[in-house]
Amino acid sequence: NAGVTQTPKFQVLKTGQSMTLQCAQDMNHNSMYWYRQDPGMGLRLIYYSASEGTTDKGEVPNGYNVSRLNKREFSLRLESAAPSQTSVYFCASSGRQGAGDTQYFGPGTRLTVL
Amino acid sequence: SQQGEEDPQALSIQEGENATMNCSYKTSINNLQWYRQNSGRGLVHLILIRSNEREKHSGRLRVTLDTSKKSSSLLITASRAADTASYFCATYNNDMRFGAGTRLTVKP
Repeated sequence: NAGVTQTPKFQVLKTGQSMTLQCAQDMNHNSMYWYRQDPGMGLRLIYYSASEGTTDKGEVPNGYNVSRLNKREFSLRLESAAPSQTSVYFCASSGRQGAGDTQYFGPGTRLTVL
Repeated sequence: SQQGEEDPQALSIQEGENATMNCSYKTSINNLQWYRQNSGRGLVHLILIRSNEREKHSGRLRVTLDTSKKSSSLLITASRAADTASYFCATYNNDMRFGAGTRLTVKP
């Protein structure tokens, strides 16, 4: 089992460019999450998907969109990147969103916006 | 906004010593979890303690929870250089909120 995989590992964008971060899990989990991690801030939830076909905003959704493509895959899109979106992005999955289950994290995508 | 706040922000100890990290939070919780993050990697779950539990053990890890004080502690006994990492508490009550972490350095 690969667990949670993310692509790409690194990305440099210019202000205004768009990109999609990909995430996939092979644990048959219902719920998936996107977080960003900034120095001294811990992880902040961007969007989550409690189950296939549903998505909801987290704490910091502005500037992002998500798609739950199927049960395995959850993508994060930046339509017009800004320097404030420079961060490390983590995807995670868990069995059930509303139960406080353990979350399993991917290795992260380090994004720099110039 | 963060729910849990870890203390200290950074901790440096010698191999073989015990490491204690604390987490305080503001509102009621269903459970509290501790995660570890090695440099440049994703978070790895260590232990979960429910609001009706007071103490849990897992190998060299001991977690306590005091809901009256809204605080938790993570004790790593007989630390090893491989324990060098950042440790995060995460509180769950309808959603999961992570603290900013404690950076632990274990010197060989």
